[in-house]
Amino acid sequence: AQSVTQPDIHITVSEGASLELRCNYSYGATPYLFWYVQSPGQGLQLLLKYFSGDTLVQGIKGFEAEFKRSQSSFNLRKPSVHWSDAAEYFCAVGDGTDKLIFGTGTRLQVFP
Amino acid sequence: DGGITQSPKYLFRKEGQNVTLSCEQNLNHDAMYWYRQDPGQGLRLIYYSQIVNDFQKGDIAEGYSVSREKKESFPLTVTSAQKNPTAFYLCASSLRGTANEKLFFGSGTQLSVL
Repeated sequence: AQSVTQPDIHITVSEGASLELRCNYSYGATPYLFWYVQSPGQGLQLLLKYFSGDTLVQGIKGFEAEFKRSQSSFNLRKPSVHWSDAAEYFCAVGDGTDKLIFGTGTRLQVFP
Repeated sequence: DGGITQSPKYLFRKEGQNVTLSCEQNLNHDAMYWYRQDPGQGLRLIYYSQIVNDFQKGDIAEGYSVSREKKESFPLTVTSAQKNPTAFYLCASSLRGTANEKLFFGSGTQLSVL
């Protein structure tokens, strides 16, 4: 069965520092991969997605992610974090049917 | 503005009571979804619907029921059979319901047990 792992439950960074959130997936074929962000008490918003082609994907709010098939990873990055980026981040994979499998999330805290 | 509206924002359930969470969308999307979110567990799919008058069970459908009588509406009922209903419930929609599509989310309903 397909699965998604986000190994970091909680990450703390200083404002202006770079960020990398990890995501590993288990899927036999080329997956559909997504990163969503959730502010406290709110719904999720799509940051970016990957289906095929260029393995470096640009998203909104200055985020990017790189698909690495050899490592089964789709890590999210941002070169300089802003205080407003504090939120929970979810990686998700399309499981080949019509459903998404979500990871357990990584909570990002940003210190001034 | 197009979007998904969930109501109420907060809901309290008494023992043995059924409660219904509302979800309405004006995006003209075919597919709608209900997710349950618990701390540290991510999002788990309860039910989804890709067309009016049809819906499928997700991974944790027990104790829940849905209906899809109109394209824009997908209410979720948490029945008394759901013994641990306290959670944050999210409704979502997508254009056609395929796995490569962006999901649009509502702002959620926090359900608590009195």
